[in-house]
Amino acid sequence: KNQVEQSPQSLIILEGKNCTLQCNYTVSPFSNLRWYKQDTGRGPVSLTIMTFSENTKSNGRYTATLDADTKQSSLHITASQLSDSASYICVVSETHGSGNTGKLIFGQGTTLQVKP
Amino acid sequence: NAGVTQTPKFRILKIGQSMTLQCTQDMNHNYMYWYRQDPGMGLKLIYYSVGAGITDKGEVPNGYNVSRSTTEDFPLRLELAAPSQTSVYFCASSSPRENTEAFFGQGTRLTVV
Repeated sequence: KNQVEQSPQSLIILEGKNCTLQCNYTVSPFSNLRWYKQDTGRGPVSLTIMTFSENTKSNGRYTATLDADTKQSSLHITASQLSDSASYICVVSETHGSGNTGKLIFGQGTTLQVKP
Repeated sequence: NAGVTQTPKFRILKIGQSMTLQCTQDMNHNYMYWYRQDPGMGLKLIYYSVGAGITDKGEVPNGYNVSRSTTEDFPLRLELAAPSQTSVYFCASSSPRENTEAFFGQGTRLTVV
């Protein structure tokens, strides 16, 4: 069964500190891996999208890495801000053959709380 | 830009009632999805559609129905509401091109009592 697992489940850090969130997946083959930020009561918003051939991608203070051999990804947040408090979700796009089915498989998310 | 619009934002249903959650997008996306998110859990795929007239089941389709008569609209129907369907529902859309972003609506919070 294709799965996406994230760790830790929740994390509390002080403002200004860095943190790294982990994602392991068993989806194969996959089209791309995405990290989303979901604020409480809102829909997810995309942070990064990486194909299996990309190792790293940055979006401001967010840097995602991907190791397609070990099927692991991480999201590193630098110099955290109070507004970074949210749920961060790892999503893998499933694909079969030459086409992209479009099915997105979601991890359970990591809830990050940044304290002043 | 409206993006993905869901209505209603909140709804309380009694057991056995039916309702339709509306979803419309103005980005001309072929792919549309319905997810549910239970408290503290990840999003689970209910149904998805790769184009008008085509729908397919996701992980948790039981108790729901969908239709896709136009590219813009993808309504989700609950026929006999049950307490287990209390959840937040998200609609999303994306282009079929590889590695394009999926856009989500703001969600519909449904409570079945």
